[in-house]
Amino acid sequence: SQQGEEDPQALSIQEGENATMNCSYKTSINNLQWYRQNSGRGLVHLILIRSNEREKHSGRLRVTLDTSKKSSSLLITASRAADTASYFCATDAGQAGTALIFGKGTTLSVSS
Amino acid sequence: DTAVSQTPKYLVTQMGNDKSIKCEQNLGHDTMYWYKQDSKKFLKIMFSYNNKELIINETVPNRFSPKSPDKAHLNLHINSLELGDSAVYFCASSPGTFGANYGYTFGSGTRLTVV
Repeated sequence: SQQGEEDPQALSIQEGENATMNCSYKTSINNLQWYRQNSGRGLVHLILIRSNEREKHSGRLRVTLDTSKKSSSLLITASRAADTASYFCATDAGQAGTALIFGKGTTLSVSS
Repeated sequence: DTAVSQTPKYLVTQMGNDKSIKCEQNLGHDTMYWYKQDSKKFLKIMFSYNNKELIINETVPNRFSPKSPDKAHLNLHINSLELGDSAVYFCASSPGTFGANYGYTFGSGTRLTVV
């Protein structure tokens, strides 16, 4: 069953602007991950944030996690045309025999 | 070096045929997965193997049969293909036994089109 829901479904911005994507989920998690998928390609792991963490940074990426609200956000600062892709959040229930459950994704378009 | 490689990249076949997709990872990971991505980009887990042992078998028609000859390979065989099987199939791998405690490494996908 689907766990994560990204918001917005689509986002268009200009180069240099910041992009914020949100993810809400339904059940308790062990960790939450964000992935990027360029058109016609596989998914690339961006960042993993554990349930006991509130914020994590990686280069121009900033991820926050609020387990009380069951939500996460991905901020991409100073966007570039190369950031154009779909972004997915994925959650892990932390139980043996489970796999990541992905949301529907946010399609980000960055124009120059 | 390609970490997770899938073959073929594209597969066009007629209804009723049987086809296989192969996946290999050279990362030394213990767990491998098959995901299906539909036309709306929704990703759904199909199967997962840990060290050749099936650990996840989601509600998937039994026309789909995974096989893992060793922990570096996970193949997907599909019998009696139907139009609804058209999708992109992704193979992925991760370290560890509890598969989702780490980031996954995905292959580039196999676009299956059933005509």
